[in-house]
Amino acid sequence: QVRLEESGGDVVRPGESLKLSCKASGFDFSSYGIHWVRQAPGKGLEWAAYVRKDGNFQNYGDSVRGRFTISRDNSRNTVYLEMNGLRVADTAMYYCTSGLMDVWGRGTTVIVSP
Amino acid sequence: QSALTQPASVSGSPGQSISISCSGSSSDIGAYDAVSWFQQQPGEAPKLIIYKVTNRSPGIPARFSGSKSGNTASLSISGLQPEDEANYHCSSHAGNSTVFGGGTKVTVL
Repeated sequence: QVRLEESGGDVVRPGESLKLSCKASGFDFSSYGIHWVRQAPGKGLEWAAYVRKDGNFQNYGDSVRGRFTISRDNSRNTVYLEMNGLRVADTAMYYCTSGLMDVWGRGTTVIVSP
Repeated sequence: QSALTQPASVSGSPGQSISISCSGSSSDIGAYDAVSWFQQQPGEAPKLIIYKVTNRSPGIPARFSGSKSGNTASLSISGLQPEDEANYHCSSHAGNSTVFGGGTKVTVL
């Protein structure tokens, strides 16, 4: 069964750091790029970051560039999102999704609160 | 990376047809045939229903269709069903990034 499963969400203070994980199963993980997409409460979807299948190319949305780092470990079938300098505005459900966005995880919740 | 523009809400009665617009620019929708549409039920992850402007994902009923003209894409639902009540999001490739719309709430009256 093709599956993505996020973990690592938590409640943190502004300025703190957090690292999310996205574990894949049921498909050839190393053949696909992976995105992180987030959704603030009651809001639309926002693309945050992308990592190419080989891990050698990354790109970021304007609101997270310079603070977030996406990486992957193909030996562990896992993509990571390291988030530094967190802001209240980063509060959201964070989803990982396949390169074509046809497979989504269930999300992990990040709350940034003073 | 400006967000795409969608109407906040659209409604229709069962059996009717509705359309949701997604307005972008010559840097995203107008530049690439890479528009996707997602259906999201409350409390659930988004589900891809249309990709590359017009292609339905496996298992998606034929009443869902996508189109594009210039910088605007559209999702049409014909023969609206109660289970179609959900939030719908458009997205487009935009160079080295992806942009989403703000989402449209579809209500079946």
